[in-house]
Amino acid sequence: QQQVRQSPQSLTVWEGETAILNCSYENSAFDYFPWYQQFPGEGPALLIAIRSVSDKKEDGRFTIFFNKREKKLSLHITDSQPGDSATYFCAAINQGGSAKLIFGEGTKLTVSS
Amino acid sequence: NAGVIQTPRHKVTGKGQEATLWCEPISGHSAVFWYRQTIVQGLEFLTYFRNQAPIDDSGMPKERFSAQMPNQSHSTLKIQSTQPQDSAVYLCASSFRVANTGQLYFGEGSKLTVL
Repeated sequence: QQQVRQSPQSLTVWEGETAILNCSYENSAFDYFPWYQQFPGEGPALLIAIRSVSDKKEDGRFTIFFNKREKKLSLHITDSQPGDSATYFCAAINQGGSAKLIFGEGTKLTVSS
Repeated sequence: NAGVIQTPRHKVTGKGQEATLWCEPISGHSAVFWYRQTIVQGLEFLTYFRNQAPIDDSGMPKERFSAQMPNQSHSTLKIQSTQPQDSAVYLCASSFRVANTGQLYFGEGSKLTVL
């Protein structure tokens, strides 16, 4: 049972466009949602995160939009750059419960110039 | 500061052999996690330690997998009688706080290939 789902599996955008990566979850107890960025040959690195009490979190060109009622969130990358080409993982955790961070399947983003 | 250090970066074993993977967490971090990454299954939680104590090993395949953290500076993941389906990238991560923050710092991983 996949508790965190991501779509699309892969996405290609042109340089300068906005990339939108989607994520949904099943467990209502999840209250913290980090996104991780992974380049080939490296481990995932924390990019940006949002708490369930917020509906938006911005950090430069990266913005998370969160809809608690629908159990959905999305990562928007504005002015996409070739250096943003990577795999992005949505993750979820219940900070009051287990420390186990649950990851989605990932979205492979390619930014073409 | 050095990040999480994992050794070896690549390991090739024959079916039935033993593999031991090492992890040195970031100094001062209280929690250490092991994940397994494959194309098919994605990032799977294996186990984690808090202040060196094993807390949750619910993701560990039974019988052949074991993990230890003998001191605060390193953890090991041992796989006995390796099978081809054990081929994966094994990722170690550490976290600064004891609390469940979800903010993990990952190493570059150890790629295990079982022939």
